[in-house]
Amino acid sequence: SAVISQKPSRDICQRGTSLTIQCQVDSQVTMMFWYRQQPGQSLTLIATANQGSEATYESGFVIDKFPISRPNLTFSTLTVSNMSPEDSSIYLCSVEHRDRVSYNEQFFGPGTRLTVL
Amino acid sequence: RKEVEQDPGPFNVPEGATVAFNCTYSNSASQSFFWYRQDCRKEPKLLMSVYSSGNEDGRFTAQLNRASQYISLLIRDSKLSDSATYLCVVNPGDSWGKFQFGAGTQVVVTP
Repeated sequence: SAVISQKPSRDICQRGTSLTIQCQVDSQVTMMFWYRQQPGQSLTLIATANQGSEATYESGFVIDKFPISRPNLTFSTLTVSNMSPEDSSIYLCSVEHRDRVSYNEQFFGPGTRLTVL
Repeated sequence: RKEVEQDPGPFNVPEGATVAFNCTYSNSASQSFFWYRQDCRKEPKLLMSVYSSGNEDGRFTAQLNRASQYISLLIRDSKLSDSATYLCVVNPGDSWGKFQFGAGTQVVVTP
């Protein structure tokens, strides 16, 4: 499995500001994903971060609100822009790994716990 | 109807007992299935991939029933450390990486 780190691990931000979350993987991966997990909820996919092209966003998420960078095969950032209290959540990056029997498993970073005041 | 549904629990289980719970999925064309474990305030961690009709890993047994579109997880000889939320995850197979997550089943193992 890949080793994934995220920075920051947590932050408390003021309404209207922006926060950029970094995700670093210890190996080159094709697919990186950004998820949000709100309190008591399951994971919701925000977007797929594609290396060399624009991210692919899921319904309900837009680039202006959640710009994503993917400069290389081991790194990605997610920015939460113009934050409101509704953005308070855990943000997780993940990578996909295809094991020896071709089951594509996903592994998650430790998450960034964001609180917006 | 949600794409992946789970009983939220909590399942309160005495230490040493067996607990089992199911997850149903809506897309009959789904290709692969997983159980993840999520501890409080932590990221999900892969517990098991569910192969063909099922597989076993130590005290954990996962089964897949494609006809009825559900997967199950059984935990034998429960340990206190098994207390967690168990997420059912389905890859519908129509797009790389677009996993569908259940809301999780909470298991609480008591002494």
